[in-house]
Formats: sequence, C-alpha cells, structure tokens
Amino acid sequence: GAGVSQSPRYKVAKRGQDVALRCDPISGHVSLFWYQQALGQGPEFLTYFQNEAQLDKSGLPSDRFFAERPEGSVSTLKIQRTQQEDSAVYLCASSRGLAGSREYNEQFFGPGTRLTVL
Amino acid sequence: DQQVKQNSPSLSVQEGRISILNCDYTNSMFDYFLWYKKYPAEGPTFLISISSIKDKNEDGRFTVFLNKSAKHLSLHIVPSQPGDSAVYFCAASATGTASKLTFGTGTRLQVTL
Repeated sequence: GAGVSQSPRYKVAKRGQDVALRCDPISGHVSLFWYQQALGQGPEFLTYFQNEAQLDKSGLPSDRFFAERPEGSVSTLKIQRTQQEDSAVYLCASSRGLAGSREYNEQFFGPGTRLTVL
Repeated sequence: DQQVKQNSPSLSVQEGRISILNCDYTNSMFDYFLWYKKYPAEGPTFLISISSIKDKNEDGRFTVFLNKSAKHLSLHIVPSQPGDSAVYFCAASATGTASKLTFGTGTRLQVTL
C-alpha cells in the first residue's frame, strides 16, 4: 500500500492480558516511530527505530512495553500485563530520512490502533 | 511539563475568512517545527514545516510564521474551506538530539458555511 498501515485498528483487552500491535511502514522508509495518544492529548513519543536498530526508547512508560523491528520493515509494539492506564491510541509513523535530515522530521502516520483495557 | 502548548482547544471560522492557529514552545533547543492535521479515526497528516533559520514558510493557502524571540509560531489558512475542519497539532524537534517529535495538545478548527 501507499501509506503506513496498522493492525488491528481496535483492540479490547482485559486487564493483565498481553497485546501485540503491528505497524507496516511505507516501503523504503528507514525511520520508524511509535507514539501513544491519550484522549484529548497530542501524540507522545514512545520509541524510534533506524532500520532494525532501536536507537531511542526513552518514551516507553514501563518495562511492560517492548518494541521490535527485526528486519528493518514491519514493527511490533508489545504491551505485557496491560493496565487500564494503557488505554490510548497507538500511532506508528515512518519517514525516509535519517536523524538530522529534514526528511527525517516529516513523518507519515498510520491510522492508529485504539486499545481499550477493561 | 508541556514543552509545546496550544492554548486554544477550539476555533470556529467562517468559510472564506482567515484561520489563525497558535502554538508556543518553551524548549530553546527546538529548531524545526511542523503542523499536522488530523481527521477523526485517521492518523495525523503532515501539512507544513519551518526551520528555525526562517521566519515564514508558505505553501498554497497555508503559511507558517515563526517568532523565535517569543518562542511562538502560528499557522494561517487563507481562505478557510469546510474541508479544513480538523484537529491541528503543532510539533517540534531538536536536530541532533532527541529523535522524537514533541506535540501540542491540538486545536479543533471548525470552518462554517
């Protein structure tokens, strides 16, 4: 496809369940980002990959959050033992540039996965 | 601590008039600024950006102004159209340091007929 795709679009989990959210970036995009967007807020950075290397994970809220991009394309965000405060929209974005380039900053976003933890 | 602030949660403008959306930031390391537009159930879409070496960037109906001394930027939409109704997010980044975009909380623009 032409854009960033994410699946599932909606996920309902019981508290304590593990979830896995998938992101397919735009083909050829080197940089991949995950953001968390709570209701009424702007997206907040979680983590950044350059190809398969996770270069920044400073935004991950706890060690229950884990992200990977093993082959430098598709990425998965995993949340273990979900809590109610994890309920949010999880956005994935990709860009063609490397950190420091203008193209790096122009990120293309997917539609997001809305996670609801009951 | 909110480093990027959009103090107006909503704005209503008549079709054909100018829409002005404002954004303030506190981190002096920010040197690149972007505006994103978001429709319901979709991800944000890149609209326009500006580097800190400039004070204005124009793209069609959209112009972004940057006032570094005031740590303030604004997005002007002229003329406003009903299809512009969306939530607009201001974002900022610091080249060479963090890889992340820092977003404001958004302003919901409603363009009325």
